[in-house]
Amino acid sequence: AQSVTQLGSHVSVSEGALVLLRCNYSSSVPPYLFWYVQYPNQGLQLLLKYTSAATLVKGINGFEAEFKKSETSFHLTKPSAHMSDAAEYFCAVSGEAGNQFYFGTGTSLTVIP
Amino acid sequence: DTAVSQTPKYLVTQMGNDKSIKCEQNLGHDTMYWYKQDSKKFLKIMFSYNNKELIINETVPNRFSPKSPDKAHLNLHINSLELGDSAVYFCASSPQSGNTIYFGEGSWLTVV
Repeated sequence: AQSVTQLGSHVSVSEGALVLLRCNYSSSVPPYLFWYVQYPNQGLQLLLKYTSAATLVKGINGFEAEFKKSETSFHLTKPSAHMSDAAEYFCAVSGEAGNQFYFGTGTSLTVIP
Repeated sequence: DTAVSQTPKYLVTQMGNDKSIKCEQNLGHDTMYWYKQDSKKFLKIMFSYNNKELIINETVPNRFSPKSPDKAHLNLHINSLELGDSAVYFCASSPQSGNTIYFGEGSWLTVV
């Protein structure tokens, strides 16, 4: 069975500061891992995904995530936060079958001017 | 061109009514989903269809009935609406082996 745990339901950072959103996964098979972003009153948009090609994955809007098998983690980072990054972020895991897709509980990112 | 489109975007209705939300995807994907997002932003899968066949049916009241007339469409019908059904419902699709889910914009359902 697969699952993801997002540590911290709310994260606040100052504009220009490092963004770090944490995600740990549980999977009995090599997983596909994803980060999605949801802006207010909108649907979910794919930020990036890990499919075992490379452990460091670069996504849109300057975000990246590193797959660490030893830590079962897939944390999302961005070197410098922008006001426009304020949103809800979801980590997700999928098995090889692709039909089972599980989301974490989400982390709300606030960017302080 | 919208990849996954769902209608209506906003729906306000009274308790006890029956309503439907429609979803269409033009991505050629084999798998479609319905997710429910509550007020705390938790996303919970409700149903998954692959090529018109139901493959995931989570613990959802049987007042909720999905229907997939073809692999590009997955509609959600809800009978006897209750206050607790108020939420955002997201339709999504994915290729059978691609493992990326593409979401619609959501349907905001408010039951009064």
